[in-house]
Amino acid sequence: QSVLTQPPSASGTPGQRVTISCSGSSSNIGSNTVNWYQQLPGTAPKLLLYSNNQRPSGVPDRFSGSKSGTSASLAISGLQSEDEADYYCAAWDDSFNGVVFGGGTKLTVL
Amino acid sequence: QVQLQESGPGLVKPSETLSLTCGVSGYSIRSGYFWGWIRQPPGKGLEWIGSFYHSGSTYYNPSLKSRVTISVDTSKNQFSLKLNSVTAADTAVYYCARQAVTTYAFDIWGQGTMVTVSS
Repeated sequence: QSVLTQPPSASGTPGQRVTISCSGSSSNIGSNTVNWYQQLPGTAPKLLLYSNNQRPSGVPDRFSGSKSGTSASLAISGLQSEDEADYYCAAWDDSFNGVVFGGGTKLTVL
Repeated sequence: QVQLQESGPGLVKPSETLSLTCGVSGYSIRSGYFWGWIRQPPGKGLEWIGSFYHSGSTYYNPSLKSRVTISVDTSKNQFSLKLNSVTAADTAVYYCARQAVTTYAFDIWGQGTMVTVSS
């Protein structure tokens, strides 16, 4: 069971906007910023967003993030077939000084 | 560009020690950043194993702390993972990654290496 809670699955049709939630606690999301990773099938995870809503170079602005209290969310607008992947949220946890991950959300583009 | 590459045995016997190395190119470990290990059992999610800073600070997942050691060889610009007393539950793809100090984000990942624990 993961420390951060994500829905196991999400779906949308091309062009739609989808959101993925990530729920934590005061010691992780409540105290630190959230990072999001995208894992395409058979590949290593890739940093998608850092510091709640910052995009590394090369990440399309279709991907956005937000945080409020002990929850965060990832939004993908203009959904494309290549967005079909697993998405993970993560944060530093002050209770033991380490990283906690969400269980991952499998996004299906219908 | 910065690249990380994991290496080590793909098969380890139960109760033995899993040993992996992460070679870093394009960036000196001594220049900063945390450096970490993450694993992913087949069909499951990501699990953080531990991270270290070149100056000596090391952080471990409490659930693995009693069995894990992360060390660094700055002369070879590489770092290593040792996990002892392995069981089938330790079967996973093991990734090494560079981790930003201020955001704790893993910004560059190795391709990962599959380790199977079996007799």
